Amino acid sequence: EDQVTQSPEALRLQEGESSSLNCSYTVSGLRGLFWYRQDPGKGPEFLFTLYSAGEEKEKERLKATLTKKESFLHITAPKPEDSATYLCAVQAPGYSTLTFGKGTMLLVSP
Amino acid sequence: ETGVTQTPRHLVMGMTNKKSLKCEQHLGHNAMYWYKQSAKKPLELMFVYNFKEQTENNSVPSRFSPECPNSSHLFLHLHTLQPEDSALYLCASSLHTGTEGEQYFGPGTRLTVT
Repeated sequence: EDQVTQSPEALRLQEGESSSLNCSYTVSGLRGLFWYRQDPGKGPEFLFTLYSAGEEKEKERLKATLTKKESFLHITAPKPEDSATYLCAVQAPGYSTLTFGKGTMLLVSP
Repeated sequence: ETGVTQTPRHLVMGMTNKKSLKCEQHLGHNAMYWYKQSAKKPLELMFVYNFKEQTENNSVPSRFSPECPNSSHLFLHLHTLQPEDSALYLCASSLHTGTEGEQYFGPGTRLTVT
């Protein structure tokens, strides 16, 4: 059974304090790994797709990386508006559906 | 309207009521999804439609009944729900099920079953 584990469950940072969120997965032959951001009272918003180990994607202060067993979402010099829950999802070959992790709730204080 | 819209945003219903959730996407997508989001749990996929045909039913109880009359509209009909069905119900769309990793979500309907 595919598993996605995100850590930490919650993370509190000061503005400008860089850190990383982790998404570890067990899936036989990854088809894709996806990062989403969810603000309170809203649906998730797509951020990145990663397909193969070594791949990196960047968007503003966020950078996602992928290895054969995990993905990291690096947040550089975060701002309060980066506060949200970050969700990771994986897709196995031959399946049309995603398996989501429970998410990491990030709070960035000014 | 742009993106994915859902109505109502909040719904309180008794266990004997019948209600429906509505989702509409304005993105020209062909695949639509229903998810359930409960506190401290991962997003749970409920149903998938691709070009109006249901392609996934993730062992969802029959008290939830989906309907997809066209590629832009998706409904979730609810009847005789249980208190444990209280959750945020999210609708999403993607270009088609080959691009299901990049999904666009609506704001959700917060459902409370009393």
